[in-house]
Amino acid sequence: DVKVTQSSRYLVKRTGEKVFLECVQDMDHENMFWYRQDPGLGLRLIYFSYDVKMKEKGDIPEGYSVSREKKERFSLILESASTNQTSMYLCASSATDRGLPEAFFGQGTRLTVV
Amino acid sequence: ILNVEQSPQSLHVQEGDSTNFTCSFPSSNFYALHWYRWETAKSPEALFVMTLNGDEKKKGRISATLNTKEGYSYLYIKGSQPEDSATYLCASKTSYDKVIFGPGTSLSVIP
Repeated sequence: DVKVTQSSRYLVKRTGEKVFLECVQDMDHENMFWYRQDPGLGLRLIYFSYDVKMKEKGDIPEGYSVSREKKERFSLILESASTNQTSMYLCASSATDRGLPEAFFGQGTRLTVV
Repeated sequence: ILNVEQSPQSLHVQEGDSTNFTCSFPSSNFYALHWYRWETAKSPEALFVMTLNGDEKKKGRISATLNTKEGYSYLYIKGSQPEDSATYLCASKTSYDKVIFGPGTSLSVIP
């Protein structure tokens, strides 16, 4: 079974902290994605990566950065957490093109910034 | 439409009822439409990938249809069960590699 694992299920951080959300997949997928989901809105793409050390901005990259040093790991970094970054964060991976024809998702990290 | 819309936002049905909900998406540059089921505390799980106008897909009691000319897809659940309770997400992919998710329809099936 494909497994996409996010390091934390729930996280509470203070405003201004640097926050790392980790995602690991075990299927040797080239493509990995970070989304956030907020009530009444669809999943919104923050960043994606189609290869090691490669990254591309999604629809809402402001306030975030990413790191992909190894194929299986894709990290989302909140440089200075703010309350408007309180959200559910989902990581996904896909074997095929960057357009996400079919993705496997992690279980989500619910981040609260206080 | 420029966004992907889903209706209704939420739905409560009795066990055994059949139900359906809608995903509306931009019909221009259409490439594929995906349905996902997202149960609480679990990962979203792919249900269907649909690409051709008139496509119908079926998985057990769940089925979906696709109309690419008018830009909508219906998801049907026959004889809803409590384990069908979840948020159902659709995502539209264009030929330009753009993927847009809808906000989801939250289904609660009451035993």
